[in-house]
Amino acid sequence: GAVVSQHPSWVICKSGTSVKIECRSLDFQATTMFWYRQFPKQSLMLMATSNEGSKATYEQGVEKDKFLINHASLTLSTLTVTSAHPEDSSFYICSAVLGTTKQYFGPGTRLTVT
Amino acid sequence: QQQVKQSPQSLIVQKGGISIINCAYENTAFDYFPWYQQFPGKGPALLIAIRPDVSEKKEGRFTISFNKSAKQFSLHIMDSQPGDSATYFCAASMKASSASKIIFGSGTRLSIRP
Repeated sequence: GAVVSQHPSWVICKSGTSVKIECRSLDFQATTMFWYRQFPKQSLMLMATSNEGSKATYEQGVEKDKFLINHASLTLSTLTVTSAHPEDSSFYICSAVLGTTKQYFGPGTRLTVT
Repeated sequence: QQQVKQSPQSLIVQKGGISIINCAYENTAFDYFPWYQQFPGKGPALLIAIRPDVSEKKEGRFTISFNKSAKQFSLHIMDSQPGDSATYFCAASMKASSASKIIFGSGTRLSIRP
């Protein structure tokens, strides 16, 4: 099956610093990738749609200046959490679209801001 | 109208029993209904999916039943095993929507008792 990786799997950063999370589709090209965040025991909340070669589309309520998304190639999208604060601590998950509808998810990145 | 309602929130089933999770939707434009399985600390994995022109789809022990007129669909796990213990999310998507955005249900935490 299609494989999506994320790096790092776990990161701790200090409040006020920035952290970058990478999402890669390993065996297919993905024009579209999605970024989600998930709080404990809750569902996935879509943050933004990442399109290769164009600006990301953010969901309502998601600060685009805080969560910077770059879709540099057909196999790589990055999410940078800028000036992170403890309330940004969460599980961040990306997905990559294969074809027109099938989404394959990465293993997630746990961010802890101290 | 974009919501996908999922029940129950949690479910305990004896080993060998049938696990049933139900979902309902409002938007008749949805045309792709996937189910995802998520283990703690991992990203969701596509389990099985169905399109509205089919009333049932079976893959191994997993079956989706789809009732288009009632706008409901359900996941049945036959001969449930302890390894099936996970959180399950139903979802819905529109092929015609921007980049196949997926709407997730709230999730069901399934525990299979040995």
